[in-house]
Amino acid sequence: SQTIHQWPATLVQPVGSPLSLECTVEGTSNPNLYWYRQAAGRGLQLLFYSVGIGQISSEVPQNLSASRPQDRQFILSSKKLLLSDSGFYLCAWSVRTAGNTEAFFGQGTRLTVV
Amino acid sequence: AQKITQTQPGMFVQEKEAVTLDCTYDTSDPSYGLFWYKQPSSGEMIFLIYQGSYDQQNATEGRYSLNFQKARKSANLVISASQLGDSAMYFCAMREANDYKLSFGAGTTVTVRA
Repeated sequence: SQTIHQWPATLVQPVGSPLSLECTVEGTSNPNLYWYRQAAGRGLQLLFYSVGIGQISSEVPQNLSASRPQDRQFILSSKKLLLSDSGFYLCAWSVRTAGNTEAFFGQGTRLTVV
Repeated sequence: AQKITQTQPGMFVQEKEAVTLDCTYDTSDPSYGLFWYKQPSSGEMIFLIYQGSYDQQNATEGRYSLNFQKARKSANLVISASQLGDSAMYFCAMREANDYKLSFGAGTTVTVRA
């Protein structure tokens, strides 16, 4: 069966510090991978998605970047965090075909920038 | 532009009663998928139900059913026989056939009262 791992679960970082959140998927190949951010009590904002190694699409210009160094690994990074980067970050995967396949989510990382 | 609209920020429902959560969407692609997710206070995203744009019948999964009105571009979720454990935030999402992005609405918070 497929599983998705996302860590850490909680993170408190000072303003200006770097960030690296990692997400890995097991039990599938060539998945679509996604990073979402959710502000408290709000909807999910798509940040990045990837359809293959090294292929990253950015949805919102911001202080963050993403990379996909391996087929089932997706990394969200920042060189210098801002207060506005605080939020709940969710990684997700779906089968490569578009349209009718649901996305499966990790447990999320709650990031607080202080 | 916002493609998914959920106009009900919060709803209260009595235990054992049914509740309908509204979702409207906008797309020019004739082929697309609609999804509903549940997010309890723990933050995890739980996939509930899927409706394809070419499906002739409304989707059902246990106590969840989807009232799909294609001409009106609406995909309302109906939860029957509400339980206390149904208290959560509910998100409507859409993916177009020619796109890998999964876009979410702003969500509706459901509170089930005993």
